[in-house]
Order: sequence, then C-alpha cells, then structure tokens
Amino acid sequence: AQSVTQLGSHVSVSEGALVLLRCNYSSSVPPYLFWYVQYPNQGLQLLLKYTTGATLVKGINGFEAEFKKSETSFHLTKPSAHMSDAAEYFCAVSDNTNAGKSTFGDGTTLTVKP
Amino acid sequence: DSGVTQTPKHLITATGQRVTLRCSPRSGDLSVYWYQQSLDQGLQFLIQYYNGEERAKGNILERFSAQQFPDLHSELNLSSLELGDSALYFCASSVDQGAKEKLFFGSGTQLSVL
Repeated sequence: AQSVTQLGSHVSVSEGALVLLRCNYSSSVPPYLFWYVQYPNQGLQLLLKYTTGATLVKGINGFEAEFKKSETSFHLTKPSAHMSDAAEYFCAVSDNTNAGKSTFGDGTTLTVKP
Repeated sequence: DSGVTQTPKHLITATGQRVTLRCSPRSGDLSVYWYQQSLDQGLQFLIQYYNGEERAKGNILERFSAQQFPDLHSELNLSSLELGDSALYFCASSVDQGAKEKLFFGSGTQLSVL
C-alpha cells in the first residue's frame, strides 16, 4: 500500500522568495514519485518525476525535488518564486509498474504575493 | 494544450440519472486513465485502459464503468448518480503503459449532481 502526505494545504510566499512544498510518502516497494501542477480550470501537468538514479530531479519552470529515502520525503523547491507559480501542487507516488495508477496527496495551494 | 480532449466541460444532472463522459487521447497514445477529483476524497485513480483492454483498476464504484473504443477514445459511464458523485473527472493519456510513462491530462468534466 502507498500513501502521500503533503504538509501544508496552503503555502504563501513573496515573489522572489524560496518555494518549499513538502511531501512525505509511504510505500512498501521502491517508489516512483511525481509532482504535478494544476492551474485553475486546467488538468494536471507533470513538473518532474523520480524513478531511479539521481536523487535530485530537475523539472520544468525551475522546480526541482530531492528524493530522500531515509526521510521518505520528496520535497519540491524553487529558488525564486514567480507570480505565475501560483497554482495547486500535487505530490504522487506509484509503484514501479504503472505511472497512472498513482496515489495522490491532498494538494498544496501556492500563493505568491507581489 | 495537452492534446487530450474531454467533453462535455460541464454537466448538470439529477440523482438517479446516468451520464457518459468522453475522452479523446493525444494522437498516438494507447493508454487512457480516468480520475475523480472531489473536495472530500481528493484526487483518485479510477481505471486505466490500454489499446482497448482494461489494465488497472483503482477506487472505481460498481455503478461506474468505462470502455475504450477501437479509435482509442474512451468513455466513462456513471449510473444511479448520487449527490456524492459530484466531482471533477479527469482523463489522462500516455503513449504506452508502465511506470516511466508521462501522462498528459485533459481539462476535466465538472459533474454536478443535484
């Protein structure tokens, strides 16, 4: 069984500040981990994913995440927030068989203040 | 634009009724996935089809069914609708199936059951 916990349903940062969205997972098998972004009235868009190999994963729009097995975490960061980053972010975990059969976190809404 | 098309965008119906949601995957994608996003349950994987065959099942109710047609479009049928079925239903597609596939999501169908 797998589960995902996103710490903080709402995160607010100032434009130019560091973005840190937290995700912890539970998995009985080596996990595949994903971060998705959802803009209003749109579907989810893949930001980045970790499958195997390098634990620091770089994604689109300047985001990156680090897989830390010892902490069962996969936190999403961006050095400098932009107004266009305001959206809802979902962390997801799947097993190593099917990317679509993922378990999603409850989401974190990111607000960027000018 | 992800290339995945969902129709209709909005659907309002009454309890006890039956509705059909349609998804056209990106050109060339063989896998279609269905998800339900609601305030109380969050984002949940429902079912996956690959090249016309059911491949994975998630938290899909017995009142719900899906199919994928020879032209690869998919339909999600929801019957005996209840108030709690009100949600945003997404479909996603990928080229193949497997853990490393990148999913492309449609914009969703907002279902309101009154």
